[in-house]
Amino acid sequence: GESVGLHLPTLSVQEGDNSIINCAYSNSASDYFIWYKQESGKGPQFIIDIRSNMDKRQGQRVTVLLNKTVKHLSLQIAATQPGDSAVYFCAEMGAMTTDSWGKLQFGAGTQVVVTP
Amino acid sequence: DTAVSQTPKYLVTQMGNDKSIKCEQNLGHDTMYWYKQDSKKFLKIMFSYNNKELIINETVPNRFSPKSPDKAHLNLHINSLELGDSAVYFCASSQVTQGGDTQYFGPGTRLTVL
Repeated sequence: GESVGLHLPTLSVQEGDNSIINCAYSNSASDYFIWYKQESGKGPQFIIDIRSNMDKRQGQRVTVLLNKTVKHLSLQIAATQPGDSAVYFCAEMGAMTTDSWGKLQFGAGTQVVVTP
Repeated sequence: DTAVSQTPKYLVTQMGNDKSIKCEQNLGHDTMYWYKQDSKKFLKIMFSYNNKELIINETVPNRFSPKSPDKAHLNLHINSLELGDSAVYFCASSQVTQGGDTQYFGPGTRLTVL
């Protein structure tokens, strides 16, 4: 399944399917991007990050894709499991030489619900 | 072994009161942060300290005063609490490297102002 962030804040995915969570970021000067997972009652948990000089990075069952041309970031989760149910946030940060370094700007979040 | 810890987890108080939230990290990071998450789950940075020095202050009312006694601790004191201060407050820490500035978050403190 796919989501488009603000317009589809809830993504329902069947267990075992792949999930794609999309994020449109605002600042073309952003240099560093992170995906976080937040389970109910817990703090955001780091999933994967990517620098602006890359367009793809893979982790365990997750892949982040960055398209700087259209300022779009996506998180792909392979073989989605019930434990993947959470709110997912993309976050962006400016380059080290800018005032926005260190200031993570978070997107609105996408609720992922995994159904059996 | 919790990397970033906060106390208390829940805080319920009356308008006008003064309260503090404490944060500790055992990751050896140089930088610590406070974020506020509202009822719509929107997360916004409030403050950042690097080695006990304030480096980010995001136009937060001066009723909010962070204090960093050492680089492993960053506390948040709030004076004259208002209804709008009700939110979940997250502490985070990071160690800036050339690769990035991955921030690790604590479990949050849910503040309810009545």
